[in-house]
Amino acid sequence: GAVVSQHPSRVICKSGTSVKIECRSLDFQATTMFWYRQFPKQSLMLMATSNEGSKATYEQGVEKDKFLINHASLTLSTLTVTSAHPEDSSFYICSAPLGDRGTGEQYFGPGTRLTVT
Amino acid sequence: SQKIEQNSEALNIQEGKTATLTCNYTNYSPAYLQWYRQDPGRGPVFLLLIRENEKEKRKERLKVTFDTTLKQSLFHITASQPADSATYLCAVLNTNAGKSTFGDGTTLTVKP
Repeated sequence: GAVVSQHPSRVICKSGTSVKIECRSLDFQATTMFWYRQFPKQSLMLMATSNEGSKATYEQGVEKDKFLINHASLTLSTLTVTSAHPEDSSFYICSAPLGDRGTGEQYFGPGTRLTVT
Repeated sequence: SQKIEQNSEALNIQEGKTATLTCNYTNYSPAYLQWYRQDPGRGPVFLLLIRENEKEKRKERLKVTFDTTLKQSLFHITASQPADSATYLCAVLNTNAGKSTFGDGTTLTVKP
């Protein structure tokens, strides 16, 4: 089946620094990828939609200057958390729909646990 | 406002029994509804998709139903096993926006 990878799986950074998370579709091309954040015992909250060749679309309340998204190629999207603060500590997960299926079916990466100290 | 509710935060059942999880939605008319499995510390894994014109869909020990009148989907795991213990999420696609909204999930524990 379709595989999406994320790197790193875990990262600890100091407050005020920036962290980059990579999301790759390994055996298919993804013109769209989604970035989610998940706090403990809560559901997935969509942060933004990453679009290859154009700007990302951010959900209401998500600061685009803080969470920089770059969809560099048809298989790679990156999320950079800039000037991270402890409240940014969370589980970040990317996903990609397979092909042009407008069904919502998504393939998720394994997630990145970010801890800001 | 649009809402998706999985009305049981946790479900505990005995091995071998059928687990039934519920997903209710309001102010949606989804053409598609998806179910995912999520293990602790991992990303969700896609399980099944059901279309609005399908009443039922099966995959091995899994069965999903979709009642657009009741605005409800039921997710069944028959002959449950401890390995089925996980959090199960339902999601509906907002076709116009091209993105899905997820329920809070139900954590299933199957006891041996």
